[in-house]
Amino acid sequence: AQTVTQSQPEMSVQEAETVTLSCTYDTSESDYYLFWYKQPPSRQMILVIRQEAYKQQNATENRFSVNFQKAAKSFSLKISDSQLGDAAMYFCAYRSAGSYGKLTFGQGTILTVHP
Amino acid sequence: DAGVTQSPTHLIKTRGQQVTLRCSPISGHKSVSWYQQVLGQGPQFIFQYYEKEERGRGNFPDRFSARQFPNYSSELNVNALLLGDSALYLCASSATGWDTEAFFGQGTRLTVV
Repeated sequence: AQTVTQSQPEMSVQEAETVTLSCTYDTSESDYYLFWYKQPPSRQMILVIRQEAYKQQNATENRFSVNFQKAAKSFSLKISDSQLGDAAMYFCAYRSAGSYGKLTFGQGTILTVHP
Repeated sequence: DAGVTQSPTHLIKTRGQQVTLRCSPISGHKSVSWYQQVLGQGPQFIFQYYEKEERGRGNFPDRFSARQFPNYSSELNVNALLLGDSALYLCASSATGWDTEAFFGQGTRLTVV
């Protein structure tokens, strides 16, 4: 079974600074997808960024980028120029390419942004 | 277009009762998944349905059941409620189930007393 581990229960950052959230995963599969989701107090899970395991290039979405290290099974999220609206719970998630959409989530990291 | 809608938003039930949660996917989406998120933890996969058939089931007891209707909406039923069933129940929809982006609703907060 696949597992996803987020070792940072809480992180904080100053507005306009950069922060990195860590995620490691365990799998025996070679083809899979990795995601970072944001869950603000409104509770709705919002997709931030996704990475296909077969792609060596790290995904980037505006201020959000990932550092995908397949051999190390590491998938960290970097948020640049942090904004107050980035404050939320962030979840790392895994999905097998062969599964019907089942997501395996980590425990989450609460991100606080200080003005 | 409306996003994924879940009802009700909040619910309080007594131990031993039964509850039904509802989810309407995004128009055109044929796959619905259910997740349980206990406070302070990540969501746990319960079920996935596609084209009205169960395509995946997580490690949950038989007290949990679900179904999908011809209009692709879905219901999650939980029988014989336990205090430990208190959680946020999230519904996610996707076009096929195989696509890589799932869209989540705002969830139903279930409290069992």
